[in-house]
Amino acid sequence: DIQMTQSPSSLSASVGDTVIISCQASQDMSDYLNWYHQKPGRAPKLLIFDASKLNTGVPSRFHGSGSGTGFTLTISSLQPEDLGTYYCQQYDSLPLTFGGGTKVEI
Amino acid sequence: EVQLVESGGGLVQPGRSLRLSCEASGFTFDDHAIHWVRQAPGKGLEWVSGISWNSGIIDYADSVMGRFTISRDNAKNSLYLQMNSLRTEDTALYYCAKDRAAAGGGAFDIWGQGTMVTVSS
Repeated sequence: DIQMTQSPSSLSASVGDTVIISCQASQDMSDYLNWYHQKPGRAPKLLIFDASKLNTGVPSRFHGSGSGTGFTLTISSLQPEDLGTYYCQQYDSLPLTFGGGTKVEI
Repeated sequence: EVQLVESGGGLVQPGRSLRLSCEASGFTFDDHAIHWVRQAPGKGLEWVSGISWNSGIIDYADSVMGRFTISRDNAKNSLYLQMNSLRTEDTALYYCAKDRAAAGGGAFDIWGQGTMVTVSS
């Protein structure tokens, strides 16, 4: 199984800050990586697929990059509604696996 | 409106069975793979199982292999998860999630609100 390791596990930032979340895969997986955002008490929402493609309706302040084993989610100009937990997920091979999550506090 | 609605959760004793359902609307159901993803209280997301558009590709997490069975009825726009030999560690909120791809192994772009399964004596 491909293990996904996210860092940091939590962070606190201010409105307007730039936030960077990392996701490391245990083996090479090309760009088969997605990012999700889960607000407290809500279902996750897809932010980015194929490592860098923005899902429909997702603000342009979200940016995904990386390939192989190292990936990054960058949130520019952090907004209050960006609080919650962010998860990476690989789909290079079954079983599909998620990272442990990064909790973002504003 | 594109949506997924789960049902069938509840309180069940260890070793017993439960069947979850997920009803889809607002999109062409049989154009997409669908998955079950669970989240234990206070924990992260765990993929449980997925099924391709025509049920030709099915897979499970090791933690549920041999105990859970995923199925779908495209005529009813519905997904199911038969859960047998339930364990306390199966306690979680179970989401169904639509895959962007037909064969599966893609991104989950639509999620339901989840149905809670509690396994306890």
